[in-house]
Amino acid sequence: DQQVKQNSPSLSVQEGRISILNCDYTNSMFDYFLWYKKYPAEGPTFLISISSIKDKNEDGRFTVFLNKSAKHLSLHIVPSQPGDSAVYFCAASAAQKLVFGQGTRLTINP
Amino acid sequence: NAGVTQTPKFQVLKTGQSMTLQCAQDMNHNSMYWYRQDPGMGLRLIYYSASEGTTDKGEVPNGYNVSRLNKREFSLRLESAAPSQTSVYFCASRVRLAVSSDTQYFGPGTRLTVL
Repeated sequence: DQQVKQNSPSLSVQEGRISILNCDYTNSMFDYFLWYKKYPAEGPTFLISISSIKDKNEDGRFTVFLNKSAKHLSLHIVPSQPGDSAVYFCAASAAQKLVFGQGTRLTINP
Repeated sequence: NAGVTQTPKFQVLKTGQSMTLQCAQDMNHNSMYWYRQDPGMGLRLIYYSASEGTTDKGEVPNGYNVSRLNKREFSLRLESAAPSQTSVYFCASRVRLAVSSDTQYFGPGTRLTVL
């Protein structure tokens, strides 16, 4: 039973355009959500997070939106750059533990 | 300041062999975690340690044991390796970001193949 799901295994976006990565969850007890970025042969690195009591958090080119009624969050990257090509994981936190989605591979095309 | 370090980076084992994956962090974090990542599965929690001297099972603990040797070090042991344990293993430590949120710093991973 997957509590956190990323239904798109891959996404291809043109450089300069907006990238939108999506994530759905089932457990209402999650208290905050995070996005991680992962390059090949490296560990995931933290990108941005959002508390369950907020609906938006922004950090530079990255914005995360949370829709609690739909149990859905999304990561917007604007504008997309070649260095953004990576695998992105969403994660949800409860009791100091993280539950991860399957990941979405983002490719930014020149 | 190296963050989270893991050794070895790569390992090949035969079925039934044992080995220990080492993890250390130099950020004085209390909580540490072991995950495995398999294709299409994301990261799944094997074991975690909320503080020195305590360990708890995660989502997929079968076939593994852990030791929290001190605040810095958290090791993962495979007593009798099986092909199903072929995976990439990540260690992480947790840091508080704000009153109600925190994040985890990850090591570079250990790629393990069991033949």
